[in-house]
Amino acid sequence: QVQLQESGPGLVKPSETLSLICTVTGDSVTSGSYYWSWIRESPRKGLEYMGYIHSSGRTNSNPSLKSRLTTSVDASKNQISLRLSSMTAADTAVYYCARYGAFEGLVYWGQGIPVTVSS
Amino acid sequence: YTVTQSPSVSAAPGGTARITCEGNNIGSKSAHWYQQKPGQAPVLVMYDDNDRPSGIPERFSGSNSGNTATLTIAWVEAGDEADYYCQVWDTSSDYAVFGSGTKVTVL
Repeated sequence: QVQLQESGPGLVKPSETLSLICTVTGDSVTSGSYYWSWIRESPRKGLEYMGYIHSSGRTNSNPSLKSRLTTSVDASKNQISLRLSSMTAADTAVYYCARYGAFEGLVYWGQGIPVTVSS
Repeated sequence: YTVTQSPSVSAAPGGTARITCEGNNIGSKSAHWYQQKPGQAPVLVMYDDNDRPSGIPERFSGSNSGNTATLTIAWVEAGDEADYYCQVWDTSSDYAVFGSGTKVTVL
């Protein structure tokens, strides 16, 4: 069974960079043809797709975040990571990692990690 | 690419709830649907327009044609009360797009 687990700080100061890690078990982040994705949820915006790192290593981001978002992979630890710079209160949300397959959707999700931006 | 959902739908227990997702020629894309209850991660309830993941009741069905994808919940139960999101892949921008979500209320 594929499982994902997010980890990172629950509180970030304005203008700082958020760093989150998603640890994957039951699958390899470099195998198959999957989009290892970051999604966030807020009362204001609902679910927002942030970006992905494909199992091939290709990355892409939502244009609204493109200049601020970096996704990467650590194959040796079977982890993907997110870095979101210049955090503001509008980035306060629950952040999820998930695995996306083209015709199967986002089947596997982490439990989510709430992140608050506040001084 | 944008997809539009109505904010809310209500249905009586035993009734039918229909949730729509509108987008330009959405019928040419693969639509997926997620159920999210408060404090929980979203759960996939329909993929590739009309396929149910294992464990999802047959009461859930889907269709996708033209400019509208639809998730239908028959014999609605109190436990179906949740937010439902549609999602497609924007091939031109190469990333996923979510609808704004529909809150299903069981009367």
